Amino acid sequence: GQQLNQSPQSMFIQEGEDVSMNCTSSSIFNTWLWYKQDPGEGPVLLIALYKAGELTSNGRLTAQFGITRKDSFLNISASIPSDVGIYFCAGQTSGSRLTFGEGTQLTVNP
Amino acid sequence: KAGVTQTPRYLIKTRGQQVTLSCSPISGHRSVSWYQQTPGQGLQFLFEYFSETQRNKGNFPGRFSGRQFSNSRSEMNVSTLELGDSALYLCASSLDHTNTEAFFGQGTRLTVV
Repeated sequence: GQQLNQSPQSMFIQEGEDVSMNCTSSSIFNTWLWYKQDPGEGPVLLIALYKAGELTSNGRLTAQFGITRKDSFLNISASIPSDVGIYFCAGQTSGSRLTFGEGTQLTVNP
Repeated sequence: KAGVTQTPRYLIKTRGQQVTLSCSPISGHRSVSWYQQTPGQGLQFLFEYFSETQRNKGNFPGRFSGRQFSNSRSEMNVSTLELGDSALYLCASSLDHTNTEAFFGQGTRLTVV
């Protein structure tokens, strides 16, 4: 089946630093999604990507759909304490269900 | 517009019991998916429903079952609970089975003692 490798598994950064995380797949995806999950809550959709090469921003967040369609990247600029949480990538091919990465746990030190 | 509603938020059950969790999708959404999330783990796919039909099923034992009603609300049931079933159960809704943007509820935290 499809597999997503998300890295890094965890990150510890200082407030104000930029953050990068990525997901790679063994299969081609038609859609990439990025979610953030706060403790004890459900994941919240941050960014959706639909075309290879697409670069989309949402405030301080920027995500890209890789040209090979097998990877995606999420960048967070000028991190703040409320960025703490688990970030998940998810990919989908036509007609199939979403496949999720294992998540990146982000800790921001004030 | 109300989001995805899951009830109850918290539940404590004893081994061997059964439990039913409920999910009301966003109004107009017809596809509902269920996930299990254990501490430190990612999202493990349970099943997906669309128009009252199960479209996809994950690798969980038959003790885990679900259904969807004509109003798109969905329930999942776990019978003969085991300690390892303790987890956050998440429901996600999307417009239909071809629409990829899935929106999650807050989840039901199930503790089996």
